[in-house]
Amino acid sequence: NAGVMQNPRHLVRRRGQEARLRCSPMKGHSHVYWYRQLPEEGLKFMVYLQKENIIDESGMPKERFSAEFPKEGPSILRIQQVVRGDSAAYFCASSPRGGNPLKNIQYFGAGTRLSVL
Amino acid sequence: GDSVTQMEGPVTLSEEAFLTINCTYTATGYPSLFWYVQYPGEGLQLLLKATKADDKGSNKGFEATYRKETTSFHLEKGSVQVSDSAVYFCALQTGTASKLTFGTGTRLQVTL
Repeated sequence: NAGVMQNPRHLVRRRGQEARLRCSPMKGHSHVYWYRQLPEEGLKFMVYLQKENIIDESGMPKERFSAEFPKEGPSILRIQQVVRGDSAAYFCASSPRGGNPLKNIQYFGAGTRLSVL
Repeated sequence: GDSVTQMEGPVTLSEEAFLTINCTYTATGYPSLFWYVQYPGEGLQLLLKATKADDKGSNKGFEATYRKETTSFHLEKGSVQVSDSAVYFCALQTGTASKLTFGTGTRLQVTL
């Protein structure tokens, strides 16, 4: 059973370009979470999605960031018009069900490191 | 808001040394506490967890005790191995929320 797959592992963009980060959850998992780790900081929650629905986007910046988890295919985190401050590691996690992480362990991918030049 | 504070790394130890990585937290309500580990090139893996005061989580020789009075969840291991070299993250979750709140991570390097 393959783990959570994120690609690309490293992504370089120039200011103003778009970044698309992909996350394929573990087989059988229908809940996806995105976290961002800025330099010298902890992972911070961004968004929680279930298939075709955004459940909690309380950690998403109001502008330029969007996320989707379509019925078919991976979850996508999209950053439009990237700025240097978007440079970070973006981690995706998946779980078979939602709710309390005690009962629904979140399995993490290895992350995508975004560098904005 | 909720927050987690971890000791800064890197922590460098010789094999078979005793390990402590400090973690303290601030939370509204009564949090559940977790330690995650990230080995080089891999995703974060759940190492251990605790749900209430005085609970001790343990796995692979690692232990952490939920101390409500000191709002701490320090990670310990009696004898580290080179294979324990990784980044360790302390995290919490409160209420019915699904999201985790993480500390900054502590890098552990174990040498022969």
